[in-house]
Amino acid sequence: QQQVRQSPQSLTVWEGETAILNCSYEDSTFNYFPWYQQFPGEGPALLISIRSVSDKKEDGRFTIFFNKREKKLSLHITDSQPGDSATYFCAAFLNYNVLYFGSGTKLTVEP
Amino acid sequence: DMKVTQMPRYLIKRMGENVLLECGQDMSHETMYWYRQDPGLGLQLIYISYDVDSNSEGDIPKGYRVSRKKREHFSLILDSAKTNQTSVYFCASSLSAEQYFGPGTRLTVL
Repeated sequence: QQQVRQSPQSLTVWEGETAILNCSYEDSTFNYFPWYQQFPGEGPALLISIRSVSDKKEDGRFTIFFNKREKKLSLHITDSQPGDSATYFCAAFLNYNVLYFGSGTKLTVEP
Repeated sequence: DMKVTQMPRYLIKRMGENVLLECGQDMSHETMYWYRQDPGLGLQLIYISYDVDSNSEGDIPKGYRVSRKKREHFSLILDSAKTNQTSVYFCASSLSAEQYFGPGTRLTVL
């Protein structure tokens, strides 16, 4: 059973628009949710993260909204730039240093 | 500067050959990982190592084995590689939840 699901699989927005990437999870005991950004030819890099005690986390143009009751979270990228074009992975953590990754959303920002 | 390195970056092997992928980290992290990434499947955990000689299977360990003799080095070994092991392999290290990834090794098995 897939522990973390992401949608959409791919997303195209125009420069300046807000991109919304969705994520849901199965295990209600997950307590930490990082988002990773991956550019072609590179490894994933931590972008922003949130703990389950919070419902919102902001870092510049990137914001995570977290709904514990519905086991959903979303990553909002405001004023999207072509340089934001990448694949974004949602992940969930419980313990034993294991992260469960979603299958990713490929974001394209058109100029 | 925190860094995870992987060697080689690109590798082409024939079916049945042995493959060694190397990973190093300079952060003294206890935990290290090997993942493979295939289109549409995200990152699949192959093995996790909690410290020297303390390794555990991940979700897809079949056909792979690992070796960790020093905290800063973690190797992935494919004995008699198969064509379905063609993929991009990532190594990562962590202190707790935050993982740092290497640049990946693109392996092609012909």
